[in-house]
Amino acid sequence: QAGLTQPPSVSKDLGQTATLTCTGDSDNVGNQGAAWLQKHQGHPPKLLSYRNDKRPSGISERFSASRSGNTASLTITGLQPEDEADYYCSAWDRGLNVEVFGGGTKLTVL
Amino acid sequence: EVQLLESGGGLVQPGGSLRLSCAASGFPFSNYALTWVRLAPGRGLEWLSAISGTGNTAYYEASVKGRFTISRDNSNNTLYLQLDSLTVDDTATYFCAKYNSQAPRHGMDLWGQGTTVTVSS
Repeated sequence: QAGLTQPPSVSKDLGQTATLTCTGDSDNVGNQGAAWLQKHQGHPPKLLSYRNDKRPSGISERFSASRSGNTASLTITGLQPEDEADYYCSAWDRGLNVEVFGGGTKLTVL
Repeated sequence: EVQLLESGGGLVQPGGSLRLSCAASGFPFSNYALTWVRLAPGRGLEWLSAISGTGNTAYYEASVKGRFTISRDNSNNTLYLQLDSLTVDDTATYFCAKYNSQAPRHGMDLWGQGTTVTVSS
């Protein structure tokens, strides 16, 4: 069902910066904006950002998001072991009237 | 405490039905759209359905339209998902989540812990 495109996996060293991408089209990411979720195994997803670059209260400043055209990005600086997780983007699709998810990116912190 | 708590999951035979519930607390329930998302083993998050804050408008992913029905009771702060004609492919953990607004837009900022549905003979 994945309507947005994310790389399946990204590996980075401890303390480095990871940038995850999410590509949609003008009906979803390019119009309504994207949200990012973090999912640790055995836990529910947690919202990291919404409306492209808004960060909910309580989310570390190490997580920042942006959008350029139809591609959204999530940047995580100063990678920590606890950042190892699955990351999903999502956006409302105004043409289909559904929420579309990316397939998720598994981030490994080496 | 601001929370969502799902219930109603379990083991069901193919072709069977289940009704999932999601009890909300700690926020003005009718002000926000709500949604159901599932996570099947080895797969990614899959959005299933959403309903506006008033309950007047429901949205469905194509593969579940006609089989799943979302509803809400704003007087009891509870969200529901009726699952019918279940198949083994519906085996997953089902999460309810709250959107940031009356309409399903702009991210899901509160999630329940999930309830597990297993479809097997």
